[in-house]
Amino acid sequence: NAGVTQTPKFRVLKTGQSMTLLCAQDMNHEYMYWYRQDPGMGLRLIHYSVGEGTTAKGEVPDGYNVSRLKKQNFLLGLESAAPSQTSVYFCASSYSGGSRETQYFGPGTRLLVL
Amino acid sequence: DAKTTQPTSMDCAEGRAANLPCNHSTISGNEYVYWYRQIHSQGPQYIIHGLKNNETNEMASLIITEDRKSSTLILPHATLRDTAVYYCIVRVRDMRFGAGTRLTVKP
Repeated sequence: NAGVTQTPKFRVLKTGQSMTLLCAQDMNHEYMYWYRQDPGMGLRLIHYSVGEGTTAKGEVPDGYNVSRLKKQNFLLGLESAAPSQTSVYFCASSYSGGSRETQYFGPGTRLLVL
Repeated sequence: DAKTTQPTSMDCAEGRAANLPCNHSTISGNEYVYWYRQIHSQGPQYIIHGLKNNETNEMASLIITEDRKSSTLILPHATLRDTAVYYCIVRVRDMRFGAGTRLTVKP
């Protein structure tokens, strides 16, 4: 099992460019999440998905879109990147969304927007 | 979701027990207490969770007070590799990570 993987590991964008971050999990988890972490801060939830074809907003959704076309993949899109989106992005997955769930995290994608 | 309060930083001597406190005074009856840690810039790693009983696994012990308003994560014999940021989270649905406690284990 690879667990949760993220692509790419690092990316530099210019302001206004677009990109898609890919998260993949091979644990057959229903729930998937995208977080961002700014320097010295904790993680903040951007969007999440409770199953294939469904998505929901988290704490900081503005400027991002997501899609969950396949159960094992969760895509995070930036349509027009801004310097404020410079951050480390973590993807996570869990079997269910109940109170006893445990989230498993990927290694992160470091994004620099110039 | 209930909020949590943790000290910003703590030090611990290598080989000694590290006791990391967390206050969650607004916790509701069905909310679990979760602990994760983040080593350097890696993805957060699950440590342990509990509802109201004390829990122990191969990594740590979790002590939850009877009123459930606070908890303590115990690393029984801290090593240098336990240096990390430790997050206490109380949730029902989407996780809210605060700033956590930066634990530094010193030789």
